[in-house]
Amino acid sequence: DTAVSQTPKYLVTQMGNDKSIKCEQNLGHDTMYWYKQDSKKFLKIMFSYNNKELIINETVPNRFSPKSPDKAHLNLHINSLELGDSAVYFCASSQSISDEQFFGPGTRLTVL
Amino acid sequence: AQSVSQHNHHVILSEAASLELGCNYSYGGTVNLFWYVQYPGQHLQLLLKYFSEDPLVKGIKGFEAEFIKSKFSFNLRKPSVQWSDTAEYFCAVMPYSSASKIIFGSGTRLSIRP
Repeated sequence: DTAVSQTPKYLVTQMGNDKSIKCEQNLGHDTMYWYKQDSKKFLKIMFSYNNKELIINETVPNRFSPKSPDKAHLNLHINSLELGDSAVYFCASSQSISDEQFFGPGTRLTVL
Repeated sequence: AQSVSQHNHHVILSEAASLELGCNYSYGGTVNLFWYVQYPGQHLQLLLKYFSEDPLVKGIKGFEAEFIKSKFSFNLRKPSVQWSDTAEYFCAVMPYSSASKIIFGSGTRLSIRP
């Protein structure tokens, strides 16, 4: 009965590879998000989707491409991974764009 | 640019001590305010939120926060901490003008000595 789930929990890969992280929420929320938490624990929003429509796209390299096949899912695809992409990526969801956000368990990405 | 400042990077307390974690934000308009907690190895959980009601907000696990508009502050307090409160605490602001975009502070690590 996990509210916001992410897979995988850990991802170790080589530079230059392409990888995807999946996120699903079973809360019936309309809005979903991707955040990046760096090694200093600083948490920064990357993307936000509302009803499958992109509403926030922070200054993120275009190697990062979110995809929302339906309101319950928001996946993150990363092309040509770089060392600096190593971080913990959190998915979140909220009932609407102005409500509190519920976070997933995070995906720790390590690029070697 | 909008920002959130948490001046205490690491706070170390003994059990039963009182806690106050500072949070200041820079935005002149109406805001929603949050405190999230991240226990070791876990995801962020909401402790409490301010949505334009009583400026003194009570949250889970005995935490409370006070919104002082004139000081642009939203400090987190707990009268008596426990070892299980050891975690990273994040203050966050959502300006009304940019709904859905939450701006997080850099976090305060709280360590409780048993």
